Amino acid sequence: RKEVEQDPGPFNVPEGATVAFNCTYSNSASQSFFWYRQDCRKEPKLLMSVYSSGNEDGRFTAQLNRASQYISLLIRDSKLSDSATYLCVVKRQAGTALIFGKGTTLSVSS
Amino acid sequence: GAVVSQHPSRVICKSGTSVKIECRSLDFQATTMFWYRQFPKQSLMLMATSNEGSKATYEQGVEKDKFLINHASLTLSTLTVTSAHPEDSSFYICSAASLPGQGPGYTFGSGTRLTVV
Repeated sequence: RKEVEQDPGPFNVPEGATVAFNCTYSNSASQSFFWYRQDCRKEPKLLMSVYSSGNEDGRFTAQLNRASQYISLLIRDSKLSDSATYLCVVKRQAGTALIFGKGTTLSVSS
Repeated sequence: GAVVSQHPSRVICKSGTSVKIECRSLDFQATTMFWYRQFPKQSLMLMATSNEGSKATYEQGVEKDKFLINHASLTLSTLTVTSAHPEDSSFYICSAASLPGQGPGYTFGSGTRLTVV
């Protein structure tokens, strides 16, 4: 079983739609959680960190459920520019490598 | 903001030759460098972790004699793909980490697309 599993996608949605991505992780000792965005043939870029209390950044809302080892990302009012691959990422402990999920591809069309 | 400069961005080499990829942290000290590889439509897979002045720690299944990592200074780490073969064609990317409280956290290079022909 992979350490980080994501929805396979792809998600094809119209502009303005709300879309949700899910992710599960297998290592219960994982300490930090993130969503990254990766555009085609580019390096991944941090979208937001994820906290147990849930956090919001504009149209993006992230949730973490440690008990079920589940992470989610909600994107409201999708824009064309949101088209990318969204990577669920965990870190086992401070100073260790980021562990990436396979990513979920989002395509927003007009 | 923090920048990691990775070169080359793209390289095509002949089978059997070696290719060196460099990652430099431009305005912070990278105490640890992580090297990843990404095949098309796959996730970034951690290859190895290197700490400045120490030997790299390789993930299971990654040949240390084929993927040579050098982290001789706090601002430079290199990955050399030796005797490259077509199956080594991939996107290689580094991620530099600074000590907690002493830098930007994790910063990625822009990646190197290697094609072995």
